[in-house]
Amino acid sequence: GDSVTQMEGPVTLSEEAFLTINCTYTATGYPSLFWYVQYPGEGLQLLLKATKADDKGSNKGFEATYRKETTSFHLEKGSVQVSDSAVYFCALYSQGGSEKLVFGKGTKLTVNP
Amino acid sequence: EAGVVQSPRYKIIEKKQPVAFWCNPISGHNTLYWYLQNLGQGPELLIRYENEEAVDDSQLPKDRFSAERLKGVDSTLKIQPAELGDSAVYLCASSFGGFANTGELFFGEGSRLTVL
Repeated sequence: GDSVTQMEGPVTLSEEAFLTINCTYTATGYPSLFWYVQYPGEGLQLLLKATKADDKGSNKGFEATYRKETTSFHLEKGSVQVSDSAVYFCALYSQGGSEKLVFGKGTKLTVNP
Repeated sequence: EAGVVQSPRYKIIEKKQPVAFWCNPISGHNTLYWYLQNLGQGPELLIRYENEEAVDDSQLPKDRFSAERLKGVDSTLKIQPAELGDSAVYLCASSFGGFANTGELFFGEGSRLTVL
């Protein structure tokens, strides 16, 4: 079945550091890929998405590129801020199957001033 | 615009007791989802509604879990009786027209259940 594997956390960085959170997936067909973020005390919200190979999703300085050849969708940000501290979830959606998002386990990011 | 509202935010009960969670989706969103999030895990779908119809409940443990969405708006998820392993966060989400159309779910803050 469909699955998502994220790098283990927690990740702790200093402000202005470069961030990479790795995400790989297994899916039948051609899934759409997503990053959701959960800030402390808030619900999950969509951060960015990509619906086909080589698409790049971007939002709030974060980027992720859909790499079909490596089945990956790594999240990157060039300079993190304290306000980026949150839990990040990689997810996929496969058309044609049960209409549901399949999530990774999440990666907790803490950014220190 | 109000987001997805869930209540209660926190609930502590003893095992074998019943518990219910309520969700009010974003106005106009006809698709509603209940997800289960165990500690350190990503959310997993329990049930999906299109209006008042449960179109995917394959992951709902029907021996103790039940859900309803009367009138196609608010929804209630019930557990009876609760077990220790049910301790988790129960998330409600909604979308307009189904996820395939919009590519985005809107989540509530979740209801955290602790079973003692």
